[in-house]
Amino acid sequence: QVQLVQSGAEVRKPGSSVRISCKASGGTFNGYSINWVRQAPGQGLEWMGDIVPFFGIANYAQRFQGRVTITADESTNTAYMELTSLRSEDTAVYFCARDYAVKAPYFQLWGQGTLVTVSS
Amino acid sequence: EIVLTQSPGTLSLSPGERVTLSCRASQSVTSGYLAWYQQKPGQAPRLLMFGASNRATGIPDRFSGSGSGTDFTLAISRLEPEDFAVYYCQQYDTAPWTFGQGTKVEIK
Repeated sequence: QVQLVQSGAEVRKPGSSVRISCKASGGTFNGYSINWVRQAPGQGLEWMGDIVPFFGIANYAQRFQGRVTITADESTNTAYMELTSLRSEDTAVYFCARDYAVKAPYFQLWGQGTLVTVSS
Repeated sequence: EIVLTQSPGTLSLSPGERVTLSCRASQSVTSGYLAWYQQKPGQAPRLLMFGASNRATGIPDRFSGSGSGTDFTLAISRLEPEDFAVYYCQQYDTAPWTFGQGTKVEIK
């Protein structure tokens, strides 16, 4: 049974960067896209972007373009999301989630979430 | 991008009641490419429905989804205690994939 296991909570200062990992434990990404979704405290879900690990091609939501980089290492079944120029509004829980199937970008398999706190 | 508007924001209901949640899209979501999720505090979302009306694996049949075009509905026939949560819709017709703002179903 594949699980997505994310790295632990992070605290960063405004203007800095954060990199979160998401590892497929007990299996592989199976060729499906890995997505990053964030949730600010008490708020809804926001899709940031995705990557097809096999091809290493990432797509980003426009509002994060230039600040977010999603990568993947198929040899370790790990995906990464780096967010730069952090501001207080980036304080959120960041989830990775795997596409249900090829070209089926809805999400049954989720990581446990990583809290990123941006504070001076 | 496609904006999804969910209504109402909050529902206060009792176990055993029927509930209907609405998700309206700012433009047509073709082929019913709409999913529903349930989220409880401190947990990742749980996939309930995809393709507007298909239940995900392990989802009880008291959950049903319907709709097309710009108007979609999630119904729960009889609320169980474990169904009190926040529900989100998500469209995957047009990138960027977007979510509604959520509907909270709380115990009355």
